[in-house]
Amino acid sequence: AQSVSQHNHHVILSEAASLELGCNYSYGGTVNLFWYVQYPGQHLQLLLKYFSGDPLVKGIKGFEAEFIKSKFSFNLRKPSVQWSDTAEYFCAVNPYFGNEKLTFGTGTRLTIIP
Amino acid sequence: GAGVSQSPSNKVTEKGKDVELRCDPISGHTALYWYRQSLGQGLEFLIYFQGNSAPDKSGLPSDRFSAERTGGSVSTLTIQRTQQEDSAVYLCASSPDRGGIETQYFGPGTRLLVL
Repeated sequence: AQSVSQHNHHVILSEAASLELGCNYSYGGTVNLFWYVQYPGQHLQLLLKYFSGDPLVKGIKGFEAEFIKSKFSFNLRKPSVQWSDTAEYFCAVNPYFGNEKLTFGTGTRLTIIP
Repeated sequence: GAGVSQSPSNKVTEKGKDVELRCDPISGHTALYWYRQSLGQGLEFLIYFQGNSAPDKSGLPSDRFSAERTGGSVSTLTIQRTQQEDSAVYLCASSPDRGGIETQYFGPGTRLLVL
């Protein structure tokens, strides 16, 4: 069974700082990878996704993530965070053969200090 | 267009009572998922419906949990004889099936509190 690890439980940054949130997965086959974001009081929204091709994917609001197959990682990055990025971020994976249930990490709470 | 909707948004119940949670997926989406978000457990998969196929129930934590999907659209998650550990946010998601890999779109969730 697949599993997802997010080692950073709570990250606090000042505005304009650079961000990197770690995500590692465990699965023997090819996977699809996702980052979802949950802003305070809102529901989960897709931030970005990787299915195949260029391992550096760009998402909404200036976020990007890099799939490194050899490290089983899919870290989320943003060069300069804003106060509005305060949210909880979830990494998720599902097997690469069509619609399947997602396995989520435990989430990283990001707090941006103005 | 309309997103995934769930009702009720909040539910408070007493231990031992049954509850029903409803999910309306995005129109035309053939796949529907239920997840649970609880403290200490993160987001965990419960059950998955895809078209007319038999549902994947592998994530249901006990036989007190069941779900139906009528007419390939609306789904109801039922928890019988609720326990305090059932307190969580229950999330529904749906996705289309265009023969490839699809993104799951989530609803706002139902926050369940069992006293």
